[in-house]
Amino acid sequence: DQQVKQNSPSLSVQEGRISILNCDYTNSMFDYFLWYKKYPAEGPTFLISISSIKDKNEDGRFTVFLNKSAKHLSLHIVPSQPGDSAVYFCAASGSGGSNYKLTFGKGTLLTVNP
Amino acid sequence: NAGVTQTPKFRILKIGQSMTLQCAQDMNHNYMYWYRQDPGMGLKLIYYSVGAGITDKGEVPNGYNVSRSTTEDFPLRLELAAPSQTSVYFCASKTTGFPEAFFGQGTRLTVV
Repeated sequence: DQQVKQNSPSLSVQEGRISILNCDYTNSMFDYFLWYKKYPAEGPTFLISISSIKDKNEDGRFTVFLNKSAKHLSLHIVPSQPGDSAVYFCAASGSGGSNYKLTFGKGTLLTVNP
Repeated sequence: NAGVTQTPKFRILKIGQSMTLQCAQDMNHNYMYWYRQDPGMGLKLIYYSVGAGITDKGEVPNGYNVSRSTTEDFPLRLELAAPSQTSVYFCASKTTGFPEAFFGQGTRLTVV
């Protein structure tokens, strides 16, 4: 039972264009949604998060959009750079005590071509 | 500031052997987690701790044990290693009030 789903295993975009990574979830009790970036042989690195009470959060080139009614979120990277090539994981958590556990999707491999 | 430190980085175990994966954080975080990542899969939660002396099972706890005697350390014990435990293991920590967890570099374990 996958509570967080990333249906695209891979995505390829040209440098300078927009990258859009998608994520769906099934558990309406999630309070936070996060995106992590992972390079080979390294641990995941936190990128950006959004609370369930918001529909958009921006940080530089990264914007996360949340559509609660559709149980869908997306990460937009504009403009995409070759250094953005990595696996991107969507994650979700509740809040408070033992609910602060991250549930991860399977990841999307983003390749940004020069 | 080292963040989350995991040792060792690599290990090969024989079936039936046991070992402890070490995890230490210097950020005074109360929450700590152990995840495993198998090829093509997301990270699955093995065990977690909300503070010293308190631990609980995650999604895939079988074959593992943990302890949390201090805020800083959260070791993961594998007893009777099996090939199914071949994976990359990540330790993470977070503080109260912020949703993001910070991850270590990982331990790549192979059981042969």
